[in-house]
Amino acid sequence: DGGITQSPKYLFRKEGQNVTLSCEQNLNHDAMYWYRQDPGQGLRLIYYSQIVNDFQKGDIAEGYSVSREKKESFPLTVTSAQKNPTAFYLCASSIDGSGANVLTFGAGSRLTVL
Amino acid sequence: EDQVTQSPEALRLQEGESSSLNCSYTVSGLRGLFWYRQDPGKGPEFLFTLYSAGEEKEKERLKATLTKKESFLHITAPKPEDSATYLCAVTSYSSASKIIFGSGTRLSIRP
Repeated sequence: DGGITQSPKYLFRKEGQNVTLSCEQNLNHDAMYWYRQDPGQGLRLIYYSQIVNDFQKGDIAEGYSVSREKKESFPLTVTSAQKNPTAFYLCASSIDGSGANVLTFGAGSRLTVL
Repeated sequence: EDQVTQSPEALRLQEGESSSLNCSYTVSGLRGLFWYRQDPGKGPEFLFTLYSAGEEKEKERLKATLTKKESFLHITAPKPEDSATYLCAVTSYSSASKIIFGSGTRLSIRP
């Protein structure tokens, strides 16, 4: 079945460490997104990519980095520069980045800073 | 500035008690309005897309409607399995790649 796979589901990080969240899709979608979700808040866009080897910052990109070397993969690195990284992270994809198409989401990764 | 506001933040209903969730939006040129359902600890799942004022879509006990300023998600005779957070999102022609989400309505249906 086609879909988006995020891993790990749960991740614990010590302060000062970088961690990478994996996102893989087999839907042949061009556009991929990373969102952060905090309790009581809507989804906030971290980074998005409309095509391989290209990506743009979203509203809260500081302290995060991404790469898009393959169409299927869009990993997110949470760096030590991110001051409050504890959150639920969601990866999504859509057929293209036109804004007219549905987002398909992964199951999410919950990051906790110890 | 493009903005999406959902109300109420939380809603508790008795099984069978119909109600509506609201999504008010301010965008320069609506491209699409989307409703998603999110269960605790999981990713959102797509429900509906609406593109123009007057449009309506239905799925089982849910019906979504759209005006020029807001969208309603009507739930008729809800069941406990309808308990979830319902998210609204919009895209605009001026910034199509930017999908703006509301903070959601947490719906709880008591048996």
